[in-house]
Amino acid sequence: SQQGEEDPQALSIQEGENATMNCSYKTSINNLQWYRQNSGRGLVHLILIRSNEREKHSGRLRVTLDTSKKSSSLLITASRAADTASYFCATVNSGNTPLVFGKGTRLSVIA
Amino acid sequence: DVKVTQSSRYLVKRTGEKVFLECVQDMDHENMFWYRQDPGLGLRLIYFSYDVKMKEKGDIPEGYSVSREKKERFSLILESASTNQTSMYLCASSLWDTNEKLFFGSGTQLSVL
Repeated sequence: SQQGEEDPQALSIQEGENATMNCSYKTSINNLQWYRQNSGRGLVHLILIRSNEREKHSGRLRVTLDTSKKSSSLLITASRAADTASYFCATVNSGNTPLVFGKGTRLSVIA
Repeated sequence: DVKVTQSSRYLVKRTGEKVFLECVQDMDHENMFWYRQDPGLGLRLIYFSYDVKMKEKGDIPEGYSVSREKKERFSLILESASTNQTSMYLCASSLWDTNEKLFFGSGTQLSVL
């Protein structure tokens, strides 16, 4: 199955700094989604960006999509300790097929 | 508010036991999914269902079966649990399409001894 790959695997920043995570994928996509997972819990949907969109915002989150480079980035601005979590990108090729998840980026925000 | 409930947060079973993991959603969603999550491997799809009594294999269905007798409930069955099935199991649902936003349960950490 096609799979998005997040980069970096782990990221540690100070509170107030911005955090940027990247996702690369292999084939054409229908949409790309980002999820957050707090330690030992289920995933929570953050944002969905469709293949015909280039940028989307939600609060302190900004997602970009570059289909020519087959990559997406998630920017969290003014990070807080509560943003400490793993972040996953998930992609779908086309049609009504399930999402395929990457392995995630572990973000640590130090107060 | 949207809710996906997994029946157990932690479960300990012995090898060879038959194990049932239950998942219930209260949103009238069409699609339900079972993923397992292992360190270094991310989330992998086991089975999904797009309608009552319908099921489709995911990437790693071996050793598992599923049941969806009612729309709101999707069960994952380990016919004969083995130690390599020790994992975090995550249930999810989506409204219409399988590639839409997913709503996840809190997960079941299963240990097979």
